[in-house]
Amino acid sequence: GAGVSQSPSNKVTEKGKDVELRCDPISGHTALYWYRQSLGQGLEFLIYFQGNSAPDKSGLPSDRFSAERTGGSVSTLTIQRTQQEDSAVYLCASSSPLTSGGIGELFFGEGSRLTVL
Amino acid sequence: AQSVTQLGSHVSVSEGALVLLRCNYSSSVPPYLFWYVQYPNQGLQLLLKYTSAATLVKGINGFEAEFKKSETSFHLTKPSAHMSDAAEYFCAVSGLRGTSYGKLTFGQGTILTVHP
Repeated sequence: GAGVSQSPSNKVTEKGKDVELRCDPISGHTALYWYRQSLGQGLEFLIYFQGNSAPDKSGLPSDRFSAERTGGSVSTLTIQRTQQEDSAVYLCASSSPLTSGGIGELFFGEGSRLTVL
Repeated sequence: AQSVTQLGSHVSVSEGALVLLRCNYSSSVPPYLFWYVQYPNQGLQLLLKYTSAATLVKGINGFEAEFKKSETSFHLTKPSAHMSDAAEYFCAVSGLRGTSYGKLTFGQGTILTVHP
């Protein structure tokens, strides 16, 4: 697609429920990142995919968080047993070393706003 | 390891005035540095990037930034603010090493307000 697409744009859920957030990166971008943006915390790195593998998942805050990527394209971030502190905007970004000259320029989606009641 | 500090969570200027947003970085390897802008309810958009070529980098919308190694700074400037510049600005650093290739570490952000 023309840009990074994320869905849903807004999600309201009850504490304890599971949620899935989807990211469709720019076509041909091999690298995919998830970040979390919350008030007072800025932008926190969650996980990085190169193709379908995740060489860096150091930012996942707990084992309730997981992510996968299939076909080197779409990625899903899953949060199990959601807590109120999970409320945030979850941003996805993709990049291609080839087109960006290997400097790590990230292209961001508009984010999925998660509210846990 | 890399880190970024943005001085001032809020900056307010008058339309037509100079914009100066401060960013200092820490990096154990030669850094690549970025400024991103986020308009309300939108994702982040790249303003400009430093990749070890020229130290003065020009970006979109009239913004520029100067890399100063001695000061470990990468401040963002614009000579004359416009109302449409009101947004949140993020400075970021990339270490570009190992398996975290391309991973960016962001500052806390600076909200720019422009008064008529």
